[in-house]
Amino acid sequence: RKEVEQDPGPFNVPEGATVAFNCTYSNSASQSFFWYRQDCRKEPKLLMSVYSSGNEDGRFTAQLNRASQYISLLIRDSKLSDSATYLCVVIHNYGGSQGNLIFGKGTKLSVKP
Amino acid sequence: EPEVTQTPSHQVTQMGQEVILRCVPISNHLYFYWYRQILGQKVEFLVSFYNNEISEKSEIFDDQFSVERPDGSNFTLKIRSTKLEDSAMYFCASSENEFSYEQYFGPGTRLTVT
Repeated sequence: RKEVEQDPGPFNVPEGATVAFNCTYSNSASQSFFWYRQDCRKEPKLLMSVYSSGNEDGRFTAQLNRASQYISLLIRDSKLSDSATYLCVVIHNYGGSQGNLIFGKGTKLSVKP
Repeated sequence: EPEVTQTPSHQVTQMGQEVILRCVPISNHLYFYWYRQILGQKVEFLVSFYNNEISEKSEIFDDQFSVERPDGSNFTLKIRSTKLEDSAMYFCASSENEFSYEQYFGPGTRLTVT
C-alpha cells in the first residue's frame, strides 16, 4: 500500500471554479502534513502546512482528518496561475528526529481561461 | 527572501564517473536534506543531515552516495560511480530548527547519466 495516495488527475477547470483535492496516508504515526505545489520541471514549493483544526490562506483551505487519515485542499476562485501539480506531503516525526518528507505523486491541475 | 541555491543546474556525466552536486542552504537553517525525483515519478527522500552528521537515510542512499558540509555554507551530495538509473532531478532542502518541520527546496540539479 502506498504511503501517500492522491488522485493523479488531471483536473481541468475554468477560471473562477472551486476545486478540491484529496489525499490519504497510510501511516497513523504521521504527525505533520503539508501541501506543496510543483510547476513543470521545477522544485516543490511549500503552499501551506495543514493543522488539525483546519487552516485557510487566502483562496486556499486545508483540512486534516486524523481518524480517516485524510487530507484535503480546496482552491476557490481558481486563477490561471494555479495550474500546477499539487503534492500531498507527510512527515513521521520520531522522537527528536526532524523526519523526512514523504510525497504523494501529486494531482495535476489545469485552469483554463 | 532567503533561498536555497544549487549548482550546477544541469550535469551530464558518463556511467561510472563521480559527480558532486552542490547546495547552499538558507543561512540560519540547521537541517539539510537531499531528495531526488526521477522523471514522471514522485519526489523521494535520500538523506537528512544535522550537526555535521547524517541523521536519517533511505534505502536509496547506498554506499555510492555521500554527503558533506565542507564549510559553513555548502552542503554537497557525491555519487561515487554513477549508474544510468541515477538520472534524475536532485533537490536540496533545508529547515530552520527542531521546532519547524517546513522544508524549503532549491531549484534542483538535473543529472543525466549516459
